[in-house]
Amino acid sequence: GAVVSQHPSRVICKSGTSVKIECRSLDFQATTMFWYRQFPKKSLMLMATSNEGSKATYEQGVEKDKFLINHASLTLSTLTVTSAHPEDSSFYICSAGDHIRWEQYFGPGTRLTVT
Amino acid sequence: DAKTTQPTSMDCAEGRAANLPCNHSTISGNEYVYWYRQIHSQGPQYIIHGLKNNETNEMASLIITEDRKSSTLILPHATLRDTAVYYCIVRLRNYGGSQGNLIFGKGTKLSVKP
Repeated sequence: GAVVSQHPSRVICKSGTSVKIECRSLDFQATTMFWYRQFPKKSLMLMATSNEGSKATYEQGVEKDKFLINHASLTLSTLTVTSAHPEDSSFYICSAGDHIRWEQYFGPGTRLTVT
Repeated sequence: DAKTTQPTSMDCAEGRAANLPCNHSTISGNEYVYWYRQIHSQGPQYIIHGLKNNETNEMASLIITEDRKSSTLILPHATLRDTAVYYCIVRLRNYGGSQGNLIFGKGTKLSVKP
């Protein structure tokens, strides 16, 4: 099956700093990538959808200036959490969309802790 | 909001079949039923999907009722490693709009016990 990686798997940062999370599709080209956030004991919440070379589409309530998404190539998307605060601490998960079979493949997730 | 309804939790004995129900009474004719699962602190894992017909793969079987308003995911011989949250999702098979997105509800927490 298709493989999606995320880096880092776990990150701790200080309040006010920015953190970048990478999402890579390793064996297929992903025209569309998705970013989700999951708080403890909660379900995944879609944050934004990005198409390669285009601006991301953010879900209602998600601040685009705080969560910067770049999808510069067909195999890489990045999520940058700017000026992180403790309430941004969460599990961030990406998925990559395969436009041949219209399936989404998920990365292993990144655990962000803001102190 | 999720367009599916699932029980909050279920238990299953190891080695027995686990039958996870899902209601999707407002499903439209071109929406597929998808099942994913999420083991603790991991990304979701695709299990199976279907439109009208029952489907089977190496992981599970999917039984969809004739009116398509509900479905059941069957894990034929549950193991301890099948303990996870199982999500039933309906979606279009495209990325042209929000109906193609995977919208996760609360899922069913399946606990497989020895």
